Amino acid sequence: QKEVEQNSGPLSVPEGAIASLNCTYSDRGSQSFFWYRQYSGKSPELIMSIYSNGDKEDGRFTAQLNKASQYVSLLIRDSQPSDSATYLCAVNSNQGGKLIFGQGTELSVKP
Amino acid sequence: DTAVSQTPKYLVTQMGNDKSIKCEQNLGHDTMYWYKQDSKKFLKIMFSYNNKELIINETVPNRFSPKSPDKAHLNLHINSLELGDSAVYFCASSQMGNYGYTFGSGTRLTVV
Repeated sequence: QKEVEQNSGPLSVPEGAIASLNCTYSDRGSQSFFWYRQYSGKSPELIMSIYSNGDKEDGRFTAQLNKASQYVSLLIRDSQPSDSATYLCAVNSNQGGKLIFGQGTELSVKP
Repeated sequence: DTAVSQTPKYLVTQMGNDKSIKCEQNLGHDTMYWYKQDSKKFLKIMFSYNNKELIINETVPNRFSPKSPDKAHLNLHINSLELGDSAVYFCASSQMGNYGYTFGSGTRLTVV
């Protein structure tokens, strides 16, 4: 079983729709969860962090965390073509600041 | 003002050569990392330094040797390059205890 697993893409949504990206993790001791966005040929950019169960909203982005189910998700409301990118889920390990990344989900928002 | 800068951005070299990648951060962070991203976009940690001390050394061939002269710099030297070393190498930094990494722009290494 992979340590951090994301739903396989690519995910295609029409402009204005809600994009839903999912991630599961195996280490019950994980405390910190992150979503990074990576445009093609660019470096990953942190867009959301979440540490407690429940929802966290930032503009059009909402991160949801359920530690009991070992599940974290990212919702993007009113999706725009500029949201087209690969979204990486990352989870902390207990090893010196190390983040474990999922394989990424490629999102395509069609005008 | 670039927060985490890596050089070079592109590196094309022949098998068997030795090459280095440099990384510098001006964020005042105490921890720096090297990650390798393969062709399927999977990011995997290689090394981590906290205040110049090596704290993470994943299962990486001995041909890879990191060096941190101070907490703002982390370099990666690769000996006897192989075709399988072709990837994008990212440097990142953070403050220990805060996992919000800032990534450098990456170095695309192509071994021919």
